[in-house]
Formats: sequence, C-alpha cells, structure tokens
Amino acid sequence: AQSVTQPDIHITVSEGASLELRCNYSYGATPYLFWYVQSPGQGLQLLLKYFSGDTLVQGIKGFEAEFKRSQSSFNLRKPSVHWSDAAEYFCAVGGLTGGGNKLTFGTGTQLKVEL
Amino acid sequence: GAVVSQHPSRVICKSGTSVKIECRSLDFQATTMFWYRQFPKQSLMLMATSNEGSKATYEQGVEKDKFLINHASLTLSTLTVTSAHPEDSSFYICSASRVDLATEAFFGQGTRLTVV
Repeated sequence: AQSVTQPDIHITVSEGASLELRCNYSYGATPYLFWYVQSPGQGLQLLLKYFSGDTLVQGIKGFEAEFKRSQSSFNLRKPSVHWSDAAEYFCAVGGLTGGGNKLTFGTGTQLKVEL
Repeated sequence: GAVVSQHPSRVICKSGTSVKIECRSLDFQATTMFWYRQFPKQSLMLMATSNEGSKATYEQGVEKDKFLINHASLTLSTLTVTSAHPEDSSFYICSASRVDLATEAFFGQGTRLTVV
C-alpha cells in the first residue's frame, strides 16, 4: 500500500529565508508525486508534480522539489520565503486506478512565516 | 483546461437531514472521480472512488449507505450524506482525471459541511 510521511508538523521560518519541507513516500512502483498547498478554509492548489524524467521539478510560486528514488523522498524547497507562503502543505503519492489517479496524502506541514 | 467545479462551497444542515454535494468536470470527461474528506487540522483521506456507470468503491471504514455516491455521467459525480450528524461535519473535496490524462488529478474547491 502506498503511504506518505511528512515528518514536520509545524515549521516556522523568517521571511526571506530558505525553506525545505520533507516528504518520504512508500510505493511499489514508479510513483506519481505531488505537492499541494492549502490556505485556511480553501481548497487545494497544485504546486508541482513529478511523473518521470528530470528529478528536479519546478513549480509555481518559486517552489521546486527533487525526487530521490534512493531515499524515497520528494522534498519541497524554496530559496526565499514570502509572508504569503504561510499555509498548509501536503505531499501526496498517486496510484493509477481505473481512469484516475488515487492520491494518498501526508499529514501536512503547517508553515508559519515570521516577518 | 481542466476545471472541476464543486457545489455548494458551504452548507449548513440540521441533524438528520441529507445533503447532496456535486462534483462536475466542466471542460473534460472523467470516467473516474475521487471523494476525499478532511477533518479540521487533519489531512485528506480518501473516502471512495466514483466510477461512471458503476458502483462506487469505498475505502475501509467508510459507510456506503451513509455516503451515497452516484456517477451518472462522464462529467458529474454526486456525494449524498444521508441522515447527517454533527460528526459528519467536515471538508469534502473531489478530484477528477481526464480520460486521456489519467495521471493528473484536478481538484474541486471543496465543500464545507456543518451539521447542527
């Protein structure tokens, strides 16, 4: 069964500092990996995804993530955090079933940005 | 594009009543849609897989008689919470994949259900 671990429940960084959110996954085959961001009371916004190819993936809002198969990781990074990045971040691994991609989410990391 | 619309975005209902939530793929066909639930300050948990023209597949621990799913067309899946109780209050969100791009998961904006 697929699973995702986000070891950091809360992270606080200063505005302008770099950020790395950790994600480890368990999946039997080549995984489909996603990072989503959720603001309070809102839906999910896709930041980036990895299906195959280049292991360094660029996303929106200046985020990037690196797929490391040997470490079963897909960590999210941003070189300089903005106050508007404060939100909940979810890593997810997908498994194709039927005509769609069934996602298993991590528990999320709450990011707080100090001004 | 690939837009998924969910309606309503918020609903308050009385305990014991039923509530229907719609998930529509606006500009693509989706043979499969997924329904997730998110309790406050928790992650999203898959409830069921909705398949067009067939019965939904429910995850372990999800009551199929309480959470009725109907996927009557390639663009619409509905989730009906029957005899709702306060413990059903949650954020419900659906996702859909294009028939020609099953690896992508497009999410609706979610429905905040409050049962009073």
